[in-house]
Amino acid sequence: DAKTTQPTSMDCAEGRAANLPCNHSTISGNEYVYWYRQIHSQGPQYIIHGLKNNETNEMASLIITEDRKSSTLILPHATLRDTAVYYCIVRPDTGRRALTFGSGTRLQVQP
Amino acid sequence: DTAVSQTPKYLVTQMGNDKSIKCEQNLGHDTMYWYKQDSKKFLKIMFSYNNKELIINETVPNRFSPKSPDKAHLNLHINSLELGDSAVYFCASSQVGNEQFFGPGTRLTVL
Repeated sequence: DAKTTQPTSMDCAEGRAANLPCNHSTISGNEYVYWYRQIHSQGPQYIIHGLKNNETNEMASLIITEDRKSSTLILPHATLRDTAVYYCIVRPDTGRRALTFGSGTRLQVQP
Repeated sequence: DTAVSQTPKYLVTQMGNDKSIKCEQNLGHDTMYWYKQDSKKFLKIMFSYNNKELIINETVPNRFSPKSPDKAHLNLHINSLELGDSAVYFCASSQVGNEQFFGPGTRLTVL
């Protein structure tokens, strides 16, 4: 799976948008970008994934650059409950591949 | 209506003992996983089962043995526990190629 690079930590004010970047310059054509998060002491939680087009669901939006070498996860109105470690993972969407977690970005939402 | 459940939530035991962690999913998924999160918070895949068959077996000591009695269950048995086995163990499930759902984790402490 392609390697990803994320900032170690970020802060965001409550109610503001949180924009979490991820670089994946070695991504292959058949690899998707997945985002998961882990709130303290809980299991990881799926957020969103995409291949080429931007995606939006009830939790977040995913913006993927045209060359697919980077992406940004957007939490439109961050709340204190969004404080967590966010993982950007690249993997093929076929087969039975497990997730390869990096060190992620620790997002701290400030009141 | 818990999706992925694990028992026990906490497990404290002595070195050399044998212990098991149980995992059950009620999502009808065909693939289940075991991940280990160490003290440095890195999450790593250990095993993956698809329709009761082992499909991923990372470099894990053979003291660890997964057992899948049916598609909804994947248990982890650990023999001769060592201090280094202390970690949080997460079970997860998915339909092949789709997002994974994680359990709440089992915190194992070996004394």
